[in-house]
Amino acid sequence: AQSVTQLDSQVPVFEEAPVELRCNYSSSVSVYLFWYVQYPNQGLQLLLKYLSGSTLVESINGFEAEFNKSQTSFHLRKPSVHISDTAEYFCAVNQAGTALIFGKGTTLSVSS
Amino acid sequence: DGGITQSPKYLFRKEGQNVTLSCEQNLNHDAMYWYRQDPGQGLRLIYYSQIVNDFQKGDIAEGYSVSREKKESFPLTVTSAQKNPTAFYLCASSIAGTGGRGYTFGSGTRLTVV
Repeated sequence: AQSVTQLDSQVPVFEEAPVELRCNYSSSVSVYLFWYVQYPNQGLQLLLKYLSGSTLVESINGFEAEFNKSQTSFHLRKPSVHISDTAEYFCAVNQAGTALIFGKGTTLSVSS
Repeated sequence: DGGITQSPKYLFRKEGQNVTLSCEQNLNHDAMYWYRQDPGQGLRLIYYSQIVNDFQKGDIAEGYSVSREKKESFPLTVTSAQKNPTAFYLCASSIAGTGGRGYTFGSGTRLTVV
């Protein structure tokens, strides 16, 4: 069975500081990995995904995530955060024929 | 524009009443999903459907029911058997098939049972 663990429930940072949101997964087979972002009282938006190929994937708003198969991790990073990045972030995993399984989420709070 | 519409955005019901949450998509997606979100719990899968007239239970299906009579629609009924129905409910859709498909989410329905 697959599972996803987000290691930090809350991450407070100052504006323009770097941030890393950690995600580990467990699965006995090859998986696909995703990061979603949720703003208050809204649905989730896909931030980025890893399917195959290059282990470093990037989003259009400066986030990146690196797939590490040996450590079964898919951590999300941004070198300099903005106030507008304040949101909840979810790591998710699935494999062929299964529905997405989500982690419990990490609340990123960016202050000035 | 294509997307998923969940209605209503807020819903209040008395304990013991069944309530149906609407989810409609015009993305021509084959697969649709219902998740429940509680603070600190992430999203938990209730039901999903990969084709019309077929659906599968997720991790927390007890107390819920669904139907999939049309490709565009996947309504969720929260029955009186659901012990703790107050939550934020999210509907999603995707192209069916193998994994790796990103989901498109609706904006959610917040259900409060009093």
